[in-house]
Amino acid sequence: DAKTTQPPSMDCAEGRAANLPCNHSTISGNEYVYWYRQIHSQGPQYIIHGLKNNETNEMASLIITEDRKSSTLILPHATLRDTAVYYCIVRVGNYGQNFVFGPGTRLSVLP
Amino acid sequence: DGGITQSPKYLFRKEGQNVTLSCEQNLNHDAMYWYRQDPGQGLRLIYYSQIVNDFQKGDIAEGYSVSREKKESFPLTVTSAQKNPTAFYLCASSTPEWRYGYTFGSGTRLTVV
Repeated sequence: DAKTTQPPSMDCAEGRAANLPCNHSTISGNEYVYWYRQIHSQGPQYIIHGLKNNETNEMASLIITEDRKSSTLILPHATLRDTAVYYCIVRVGNYGQNFVFGPGTRLSVLP
Repeated sequence: DGGITQSPKYLFRKEGQNVTLSCEQNLNHDAMYWYRQDPGQGLRLIYYSQIVNDFQKGDIAEGYSVSREKKESFPLTVTSAQKNPTAFYLCASSTPEWRYGYTFGSGTRLTVV
């Protein structure tokens, strides 16, 4: 199974871009990269996902390197409400039994 | 609005008692999942179900049981055999096409007293 590595914590100043890295060096060609976030004591929330190309939606941008071994989630203008744990997940199967949530990155947005 | 509802939000249990956590979804999703989360940890899969009347054990199924009698409902029972049940429990669902991943409920925090 493809695994991911994320820094345990990061800080970001309010209003600045938050760039959260993720390494997934063993990713297979048909595996997607998903990002979720979890605000304290709530269920995780889907942010974005991608296969090869960079993706953008109303919440964030996802940049995937050409060799697909790493990716970066970008929150363009971080706010205090973006303080959360961010999970980078590689989909390894057709159903969710292999949708593995590791410890993630705890992002603290500072005023 | 469509979504997943977990209840109750907080639950207290005495040692030796069984307790059932509710999970209901109106998203018409086929697959449903139960996860456990301990403080500062990621999520660990307890059970999942891809179709009514069928379910599979996840990584930490011991001491838990589930049923899937209806598409909309996937209750989790924490039995007295679970030695350390105090945790945050999350229910999720997904579409067969899998494109957008999971939709999660808001969780139930279980405390053994």
